[in-house]
Parts: sequence; structure tokens; C-alpha cells
Amino acid sequence: KAGVTQTPRYLIKTRGQQVTLSCSPISGHRSVSWYQQTPGQGLQFLFEYFSETQRNKGNFPGRFSGRQFSNSRSEMNVSTLELGDSALYLCASSLGTGLSDGYTFGSGTRLTVV
Amino acid sequence: DQQVKQNSPSLSVQEGRISILNCDYTNSMFDYFLWYKKYPAEGPTFLISISSIKDKNEDGRFTVFLNKSAKHLSLHIVPSQPGDSAVYFCAASGGNQFYFGTGTSLTVIP
Repeated sequence: KAGVTQTPRYLIKTRGQQVTLSCSPISGHRSVSWYQQTPGQGLQFLFEYFSETQRNKGNFPGRFSGRQFSNSRSEMNVSTLELGDSALYLCASSLGTGLSDGYTFGSGTRLTVV
Repeated sequence: DQQVKQNSPSLSVQEGRISILNCDYTNSMFDYFLWYKKYPAEGPTFLISISSIKDKNEDGRFTVFLNKSAKHLSLHIVPSQPGDSAVYFCAASGGNQFYFGTGTSLTVIP
């Protein structure tokens, strides 16, 4: 059974550019959540999508956006990149919503903004 | 506003001894708690969970304790093994909201 797949694994972008990250959930999972991990800040919740609808949103600026497609794959976009956006971006998928529903993480995309 | 806190960024323990990782939360509406383990270059993997109706859950070498009145949970690893060296995150959820702590880096010394 394939796990959660995130692409690309590594990315280097220049300040001011925009970036799109992709997440393919486990087959049958309908919920995809995105997190930003930085040293000292732990996992900061970005947003959650369920059946193509954003259900929850964390406290990130509007430069961070996402979407989910009908096959449950999700993309996250960050526009006008800032140096502070350098982080590991993780997505997690689950059958339903909530941590109790088989929440499984991908390996993440390491974004470096220079 | 950090609703789930892990106040110890790092912990070192000798192999064979007990590792105790702590986590505090502020929201009394949280009703489900989990611990995740993360190795470098990998995503977090689920370790153990506990619902608010229990105060203890055990799975092999791992036991999670929940003290609702103190809004505190802890993860005990006995005996600790070098392969347990990783970053441990606690997480809490209540309804549609869920939060992760900042992580504790555990090093088990052979």
C-alpha cells in the first residue's frame, strides 16, 4: 500500500518567487492537511482539505494557499516567497477528518528560499 | 498561541533506562492525544494515542499517561534503545482543531 507522496523532495527558490508543492494521499483517504515545520516552532498547521473543500485554516498569511482535486490529491502554493518561508512542508492524509482517523504523514518537501 | 507545549527541546538517556517525554496543553476541549516520532528526512510516524476517557495506554515499550486535571501528558519508553533516538511530537485534537507541540529530541546513548 503506497504511503503519502510529496513532490518534490527538495526545492530552492529565490525570494519573491512563488512555489507549488504537491501531495498525493494514501488511496481512499479524503482528507489532506498541510504543516510547516521549522526549528523551534514544531509543526504549524496550515490548512486541511476534505472532499475538495477547505475545512480548517491555521494562522498563516494569505500568501499560503491550497487546493484539493477530485482524486484527493492536494497542492499548496506560496506566493511572493520570503526567507522565513524556508522550512520542511509536510502533508498528512486521513480517511476522515481528525487525528484519530489514520493520520499519516508524507516525508515532506524541504523548501529553501535564498 | 502555542496550545500544545513541549518544554524540553532535548533529552539524553542511557540505553536500557527509562525515557520520559512531557507535553502540556491549554485547551480543556482537547479529547484525543497522540505521540509521533520523527527521524531526519522522514515524515512523522504515529507512535501511540490516548483518548480523554482514559488515563493510561500501553503498547509494548511505550506508555502514554494523561492527567486531565493538570492538562499534562507524558510518554514513557522502557527500556530505551538507541533506535528510539528521534524527535518526538505530541499532538492534541478536539473537534476539527488539532495542534502539535514543538518536539523533543531524544538521544539514547549506547
